[in-house]
Amino acid sequence: DAMVIQNPRYQVTQFGKPVTLSCSQTLNHNVMYWYQQKSSQAPKLLFHYYDKDFNNEADTPDNFQSRRPNTSFCFLDIRSPGLGDAAMYLCATSRGWGGNQPQHFGDGTRLSIL
Amino acid sequence: AQTVTQSQPEMSVQEAETVTLSCTYDTSENNYYLFWYKQPPSRQMILVIRQEAYKQQNATENRFSVNFQKAAKSFSLKISDSQLGDTAMYFCAFMKHATQGGSEKLVFGKGTKLTVNP
Repeated sequence: DAMVIQNPRYQVTQFGKPVTLSCSQTLNHNVMYWYQQKSSQAPKLLFHYYDKDFNNEADTPDNFQSRRPNTSFCFLDIRSPGLGDAAMYLCATSRGWGGNQPQHFGDGTRLSIL
Repeated sequence: AQTVTQSQPEMSVQEAETVTLSCTYDTSENNYYLFWYKQPPSRQMILVIRQEAYKQQNATENRFSVNFQKAAKSFSLKISDSQLGDTAMYFCAFMKHATQGGSEKLVFGKGTKLTVNP
């Protein structure tokens, strides 16, 4: 059974039209992460939550925001998507911090911008 | 800042043979973790193996083993008896040891696309 679930698997939106990507988890993990992975590139961390505490990476564009209404769900909001935002978006969870707390990934949402 | 370099964008191996994927990293830290993640086509990324820098013994998980050379900052992955299901993108990743109350992030390499041929 999938433990980190991302919906939808594929999302198409128009240039400038807000879009929301969804992630849910059944692991009851404290930490949830959002990564952006462009073609042939490494995943890049956008932000993460430890419980309700939000941590934004310094180079994450202002266009990207996140919400975590409860332990199980986390959303990625892109306010005005540009062509450069087309990518795979990965959600991950971990029980806590550190290298001895492995991250569990979802299947990802592939976002296309028309 | 830490960087992770995977110098082989693509590799292929015959089923049942052994293949080694290379990874080097740059850091001034002494305590850290290294990881290999596997991302099969259209499927989720999963952790293959983890190494703690203070441990000299190389990590092993069934057919997967690493050659960790701390002084050389090298962390290669060896896959023995390759299987068709090993076909995937493999990412090497680095994480600093978290300080108390702090958070540390995974820094990934660009990945190596491995194809296992029948």
